[in-house]
Amino acid sequence: GQQVMQIPQYQHVQEGEDFTTYCNSSTTLSNIQWYKQRPGGHPVFLIQLVKSGEVKKQKRLTFQFGEAKKNSSLHITATQTTDVGTYFCAGPDTGGFKTIFGAGTRLFVKA
Amino acid sequence: GAVVSQHPSRVICKSGTSVKIECRSLDFQATTMFWYRQFPKQSLMLMATSNEGSKATYEQGVEKDKFLINHASLTLSTLTVTSAHPEDSSFYICSARLGGQANTEAFFGQGTRLTVV
Repeated sequence: GQQVMQIPQYQHVQEGEDFTTYCNSSTTLSNIQWYKQRPGGHPVFLIQLVKSGEVKKQKRLTFQFGEAKKNSSLHITATQTTDVGTYFCAGPDTGGFKTIFGAGTRLFVKA
Repeated sequence: GAVVSQHPSRVICKSGTSVKIECRSLDFQATTMFWYRQFPKQSLMLMATSNEGSKATYEQGVEKDKFLINHASLTLSTLTVTSAHPEDSSFYICSARLGGQANTEAFFGQGTRLTVV
């Protein structure tokens, strides 16, 4: 079945270091979404990418959608302790109705 | 953004009892809501799609008699874990979208941490 894979599973960084999480889909996606879940919290929508090769920025966060629309990445520049949490990528299933979530990348930031 | 409210946030129940979890869209109508289960340090596993006025659609491997879903109005979906057992202990989260397709933002409830003792 359709899969959305995400690496790494965990990432420990020192505050101020950069962080990147990668997402790969087994199928071409019409769009990809990114969510952040703080410890003990619920997922919160960050952004959606739709176009092939699209790059979007939100302050220190840079999101990319691959040319083939099968992979995506989230890069955080100069991490802060407030960036701690799990970052999920998510894409629509082949029917376009359900959302398939990646396994998530847990980010730990040491002050 | 839109708000989805989930209640209760935490519940502890005895083995064999049933627990009802409510998911409400506060400022929009949701013909469809989604119920997820999340194990510690793991991803969101879709359990079922709740459809207003009709039967829920369950994912493969999810027991519909175990996890009863009712979506009686455009703003409320409920998940009832029947005859709960310790293995049902988990974090349950609902979500809803403003649009019908998966190309719109999903709004999540706060989640319910269920502990069955």
